Amino acid sequence: EIVLTQSPGTLSLSPGERATLSCRASQSVSSSYLAWYQQKPGQAPRLLIYGASSRATGIPDRFSGSGSGTDFTLTISRLEPEDFAVYYCQHYDGSLWTFGQGTKVEIK
Amino acid sequence: EVQLVQSGAEVKKPGESLKISCKSSGYSFTSYWIGWVRQMPGKGLEWMGIIYPGDSDTRYRPSFQGQVTISADKSISTAYLQWSSLKASDTAMYYCARKPDSISYFDYWGQGTLVTVSS
Repeated sequence: EIVLTQSPGTLSLSPGERATLSCRASQSVSSSYLAWYQQKPGQAPRLLIYGASSRATGIPDRFSGSGSGTDFTLTISRLEPEDFAVYYCQHYDGSLWTFGQGTKVEIK
Repeated sequence: EVQLVQSGAEVKKPGESLKISCKSSGYSFTSYWIGWVRQMPGKGLEWMGIIYPGDSDTRYRPSFQGQVTISADKSISTAYLQWSSLKASDTAMYYCARKPDSISYFDYWGQGTLVTVSS
């Protein structure tokens, strides 16, 4: 089973700053099967990015995804107040869907 | 508008059975997969299993195989997650989520059902 390790565990930033979140896979994976989700307290997860770099419908362009092989990145160019949340990466290996443990982006 | 509406919170005792539901609307229920994801208190997301209502093809994460049953009723566009004998460790929020066929991600999510198992 592929393991996804996200870092850092918590990111403390101010509104307007840039956030860079990392997701590292335990072995090389297809970028086609890498997605990112946002989860706010008390809410269900929301799809942000699929195929490593494609934004889902309605997602602002301050969110971008990149990466390949074992290293993937979610970047939020300028943090808005509503962006403070937990972010998860997710991968599908043909039989299992796996999530990273999450990165919490908190207000500094 | 695509919607997945889950059944309400449940409080159960260890050993009891439970079936929670996820009612879909706004799309063709039989043309998309429905997955179930567990989130234990204060923890991350864990995929449990998935069903394709069109032909009832069902797959489970090995750690959940035999522990839960996923089913669907096409006539009412509803997917289910059930337990025959709950444990305290089943206490969690459970989400259903839609997955387009031939696509690897979950694009719409239900609001979640909180299951509390306590004696």
